[in-house]
Amino acid sequence: DTAVSQTPKYLVTQMGNDKSIKCEQNLGHDTMYWYKQDSKKFLKIMFSYNNKELIINETVPNRFSPKSPDKAHLNLHINSLELGDSAVYFCASLGREGLINEQFFGPGTRLTVL
Amino acid sequence: GIQVEQSPPDLILQEGANSTLRCNFSDSVNNLQWFHQNPWGQLINLFYIPSGTKQNGRLSATTVATERYSLLYISSSQTTDSGVYFCAGGSGSRLTFGEGTQLTVNP
Repeated sequence: DTAVSQTPKYLVTQMGNDKSIKCEQNLGHDTMYWYKQDSKKFLKIMFSYNNKELIINETVPNRFSPKSPDKAHLNLHINSLELGDSAVYFCASLGREGLINEQFFGPGTRLTVL
Repeated sequence: GIQVEQSPPDLILQEGANSTLRCNFSDSVNNLQWFHQNPWGQLINLFYIPSGTKQNGRLSATTVATERYSLLYISSSQTTDSGVYFCAGGSGSRLTFGEGTQLTVNP
């Protein structure tokens, strides 16, 4: 049973194209995230949604638009792809149990822009 | 925002050796996690440890919240321990990641 899943796992596309990455969690969590991991392995938060509502929006170009149709799904749409968008994108969800706030990550989507 | 500093940045070990990885935080955190990113890129949860000590097999972690640091101990390392180890901390629902420690365990 996959807790946090992402599709596709790999995405190769040309500059200027528009693409989407999908994320789903079956953990019953209310909060989900998108992170970007660059070529130096640095992980940086991009967005967070709580129960379909945007709660964290880091300094990300507005070509990136997250969409949460329900609390189990958080998709990432990227317009006019640029070379610098090449990275691994991770989805995560947050489990809250009492005082515990623990994040669980999906397998990642490796995006290559040519 | 909070700064997270990990050390060492790189570590090379022979199989069977022990190691300690460190994470320092610029401010107090309510949430603290250690992750292992394996060579296939998966981020695996190791510990949720905002304070205290936990052990899981050959791995253990200790967080001294009042001094704003956490330590990850790996004993009797195996080649499968290779990868990048991240600590991440924050308050509420936000986590800030350190830059990671790249661990290579040679047979």
